[in-house]
Amino acid sequence: QVQLQESGPGLVKPSETLSLTCAVSGYSISNGYFWGWIRQPPGKGLEWIGSIYRIGSTYYNPSLKSRVTISVDTSSNQFSLKLSSVTAADTAVYYCARSRPNDLTGYPDYWGQGTLVTVSS
Amino acid sequence: DIQMTQSPSTLSASVGDRVTITCRASQSISDWLAWYQQKPGKAPKLLIYKSSSLEGGVPSRFSGSGSGTEFTLTISSLQPDDFGTYYCQQYDSYSVNIFGQGTKLEIK
Repeated sequence: QVQLQESGPGLVKPSETLSLTCAVSGYSISNGYFWGWIRQPPGKGLEWIGSIYRIGSTYYNPSLKSRVTISVDTSSNQFSLKLSSVTAADTAVYYCARSRPNDLTGYPDYWGQGTLVTVSS
Repeated sequence: DIQMTQSPSTLSASVGDRVTITCRASQSISDWLAWYQQKPGKAPKLLIYKSSSLEGGVPSRFSGSGSGTEFTLTISSLQPDDFGTYYCQQYDSYSVNIFGQGTKLEIK
């Protein structure tokens, strides 16, 4: 059974960098699929942040591209999100997810439970 | 940039009702569309992919249809556990908004 678990600080100060890690169990990241991040501001809808396919192929939401970095650590079977220069608008529940690939895109089939990150001083 | 629009935004229905949620894309996405159900405080759950393919373990009362720009999710006979918010997602190409804005389904 594939399982994903997010971890990282629940509180980040404005202008700093938000960093989250997703630990994957039950499946090797090296074996394929897209691995990515999706967020949901409180009371609002889902927003795709970005995805990575193995190492080196990253795809980011155009609206966040200048601030986002997604990377993979195959040795620990984890992948990570960094979002720089955060503001209160980045306060959200952040989900990591595995996506079934369709050419260069995909759709999530396994999700982490989500972690709330609040941006506040 | 492809835009996804769901309707209605909220829906109230009774147990046993047939329920339909619509998702429209601003340009053709073939049949590259998925549907998710989200319960409060939980991660979304995949229901349908490739417009009409039922994910394993999902009850057969859920079905999807459509291609091009118009898609529907149908619940043939609404059950109490079907409350939640439903989202469509296009995976034809990357854009700012790959998800619809959501449809909140309430049980009367």
